[in-house]
Amino acid sequence: DAGVTQSPTHLIKTRGQQVTLRCSPISGHKSVSWYQQVLGQGPQFIFQYYEKEERGRGNFPDRFSARQFPNYSSELNVNALLLGDSALYLCASSRNPDGAPGANVLTFGAGSRLTVL
Amino acid sequence: RKEVEQDPGPFNVPEGATVAFNCTYSNSASQSFFWYRQDCRKEPKLLMSVYSSGNEDGRFTAQLNRASQYISLLIRDSKLSDSATYLCVVGIYGNKLVFGAGTILRVKS
Repeated sequence: DAGVTQSPTHLIKTRGQQVTLRCSPISGHKSVSWYQQVLGQGPQFIFQYYEKEERGRGNFPDRFSARQFPNYSSELNVNALLLGDSALYLCASSRNPDGAPGANVLTFGAGSRLTVL
Repeated sequence: RKEVEQDPGPFNVPEGATVAFNCTYSNSASQSFFWYRQDCRKEPKLLMSVYSSGNEDGRFTAQLNRASQYISLLIRDSKLSDSATYLCVVGIYGNKLVFGAGTILRVKS
């Protein structure tokens, strides 16, 4: 079975531009989460979606938005890019979106590495 | 104060050594606990979940102390292939995981 797939793998943008990142979860997984990992730091939670609805949002500005489609794939959009948005953007999927202990085991995709110049 | 704190290292150890990583978390409402491993420029991969009773997976042993809000990972008989960054991770709700900044391990021959 295919794991979590993300595209594009690498991209370069300039300040002020907009970017869309895509994610396909593992087959059978209905929950998708997005994380941002800046160099030297751990991943930071951006969004969680389940059944096309937002289930959680991290401490990110409104320039960041996301959506989930009926086939459970997801897109992350970032508008008005800043230099500080340069990071590895990770998508993760899981079967169970709930907070029961041990339930939220995430499988990550390889990420989309965004460089903002 | 960071929600999850780890010693960044790096820990430089010889093959065969035993090494221990520690982690503390601040949110007492945390519900689930994990160690993830991340190789250079790769995605994090689940190493093991951590349970209050402690759990072992081969050379790896994880412990959780909820009262002290402390998590540990012990690696015995270190291999070259264990070289990576080890991320301490706490689940708050849903799929919101809070990651520590990671501890770098370098195992040398």
